[in-house]
Amino acid sequence: DVKVTQSSRYLVKRTGEKVFLECVQDMDHENMFWYRQDPGLGLRLIYFSYDVKMKEKGDIPEGYSVSREKKERFSLILESASTNQTSMYLCASREMGAHTEAFFGQGTRLTVV
Amino acid sequence: KQEVTQIPAALSVPEGENLVLNCSFTDSAIYNLQWFRQDPGKGLTSLLLIQSSQREQTSGRLNASLDKSSGRSTLYIAASQPGDSATYLCAVCHMEYGNKLVFGAGTILRVKS
Repeated sequence: DVKVTQSSRYLVKRTGEKVFLECVQDMDHENMFWYRQDPGLGLRLIYFSYDVKMKEKGDIPEGYSVSREKKERFSLILESASTNQTSMYLCASREMGAHTEAFFGQGTRLTVV
Repeated sequence: KQEVTQIPAALSVPEGENLVLNCSFTDSAIYNLQWFRQDPGKGLTSLLLIQSSQREQTSGRLNASLDKSSGRSTLYIAASQPGDSATYLCAVCHMEYGNKLVFGAGTILRVKS
């Protein structure tokens, strides 16, 4: 079974802190994604990566950056956390190719106070 | 721009009923459509993946159909159980967007015992 693991289920951070959300997948997938999910807004794509050191902006990249130094790990970075970044963050991975299935992690509920 | 709509937004049924969840999309140029389940505060679990060339997929009590030309998919759940209570999301992989998924807002299902 594919496993996508997010490093934390719950995080509480202070405004202005630099925050790292980590995601690891164990199926050698080329593509990895970060989404945020908010009530009434659904899932919105922040960034995705289709290979090591490669990244592309999604629909809402402002205030975020990403890092993919190894194929299995994709990190989301909040450079200076703000209260409007309080959200559920979801990581996903897929094999290369548009016909493949996406698999998600268990989610990280981030609260910025 | 691809838009995905799910109807109804919420559904409450007694245990044992068969039910249908609907998903529609505005642009038929898709590679595939995927149905997910999300329990409160958790990540997404993949239920079924239908390729654009397929008409339906089945897994246990779940059956998903796809009519690409009309931009519609349905998820049929047979003999519903309280454990089926969750939010169900559909997502399309759109040709223009390559590897990215476009999500609907979801249907919140409650199965009453």
